[in-house]
Amino acid sequence: EAAVTQSPRNKVAVTGGKVTLSCNQTNNHNNMYWYRQDTGHGLRLIHYSYGAGSTEKGDIPDGYKASRPSQENFSLILELATPSQTSVYFCASGPDAGNTLYFGEGSRLIVV
Amino acid sequence: GEQVEQLPSILRVQEGSSASINCSYEDSASNYFPWYKQEPGENPKLIIDIRSNMERKQIQELIVLLDKKAKRFSLHITDTQPGDSAMYFCAGNSNNRIFFGDGTQLVVKP
Repeated sequence: EAAVTQSPRNKVAVTGGKVTLSCNQTNNHNNMYWYRQDTGHGLRLIHYSYGAGSTEKGDIPDGYKASRPSQENFSLILELATPSQTSVYFCASGPDAGNTLYFGEGSRLIVV
Repeated sequence: GEQVEQLPSILRVQEGSSASINCSYEDSASNYFPWYKQEPGENPKLIIDIRSNMERKQIQELIVLLDKKAKRFSLHITDTQPGDSAMYFCAGNSNNRIFFGDGTQLVVKP
């Protein structure tokens, strides 16, 4: 089964601070994704990547950057965290576009 | 508009009865429709999927139906158990992406 690991699992950040959420997958999947999940909104796509060096904007990219330095790693960066970014963030990977996704365990972020 | 719409948002059923969740999609080129189950505090997990070359797929108590003409698909859980209580998400692919519905909270009452 796909192994997708996220860190940190829990984070409290101050408003205006920088937050980096990291994701590692060990299945050599080309595609990786960052979603946030809020009550009543389901899973909303922030950024995604088709491979090392590529990042694409999802549906709600404002306030977020992404980095894909390698096949295995995909980071989500909040340069200036705001309380509205308090959420649970899920990383996912998939073998190709538009196919099965395997989710990490999630990262709970609280911005105070 | 939403790429994938999902109804109902909350579904309460009696243990042993069936539960049905309905989804619709916009892109007639969509050809892959997965269903995910998410329990509290956990990540979404794939439970069943169907491709456009099929109309029906069953894995144990899970049945998925796909109507390509109507652009609708549905999940049916037969003989529900308390362990089936969870959030369920439908999804469909479009433009090389997966779009999720907003989820259905299923509550199975003993």
